[in-house]
Amino acid sequence: DAKTTQPNSMESNEEEPVHLPCNHSTISGTDYIHWYRQLPSQGPEYVIHGLTSNVNNRMASLAIAEDRKSSTLILHRATLRDAAVYYCIPLRNDMRFGAGTRLTVKP
Amino acid sequence: GAGVSQSPRYKVAKRGQDVALRCDPISGHVSLFWYQQALGQGPEFLTYFQNEAQLDKSGLPSDRFFAERPEGSVSTLKIQRTQQEDSAVYLCASSQGKNYGYTFGSGTRLTVV
Repeated sequence: DAKTTQPNSMESNEEEPVHLPCNHSTISGTDYIHWYRQLPSQGPEYVIHGLTSNVNNRMASLAIAEDRKSSTLILHRATLRDAAVYYCIPLRNDMRFGAGTRLTVKP
Repeated sequence: GAGVSQSPRYKVAKRGQDVALRCDPISGHVSLFWYQQALGQGPEFLTYFQNEAQLDKSGLPSDRFFAERPEGSVSTLKIQRTQQEDSAVYLCASSQGKNYGYTFGSGTRLTVV
């Protein structure tokens, strides 16, 4: 399994952009990079995923390094509702969660 | 349905009792995962299905845990002779495949007393 390294926690101010990094240096060429988040007392929620190219959707953007050994989830304008634990997962046949990054958004 | 449905939402079991947890994935989703999430922890992988085939069950903590998906749609996670350490939220997720995002259910909160 590809190992991931994410900061334990990050803080952001409301309305400001947030860049959540993830290192996945042992990723294989066919592993998609998935990001999920989990709000308190809820199940995980899909955020975004990609393989090689940067990706955008209504929730976030995903920037993938050219060597694919790292990626960054970008929330363009953090809101209080974005406070959650964010998980980066290189996906093979199994999808295993690491410790994730706990994002705190300050008003 | 519109999402992944799990039932029951809450389950209280006496120690030693057998329980069955149900997951109704989104129609047409071939991939299905089960996870166990203890309080304050991240989800721990239990098992993975592609259609009716159980491709990976390496995360099942003991032989008391058993999962099936006989027709490639609904899946059941069974826990025999429940113990207090089995108390957790059990999550199910489904997808059209790894090239697509996974949708999670709301989970079943199991409390063993």
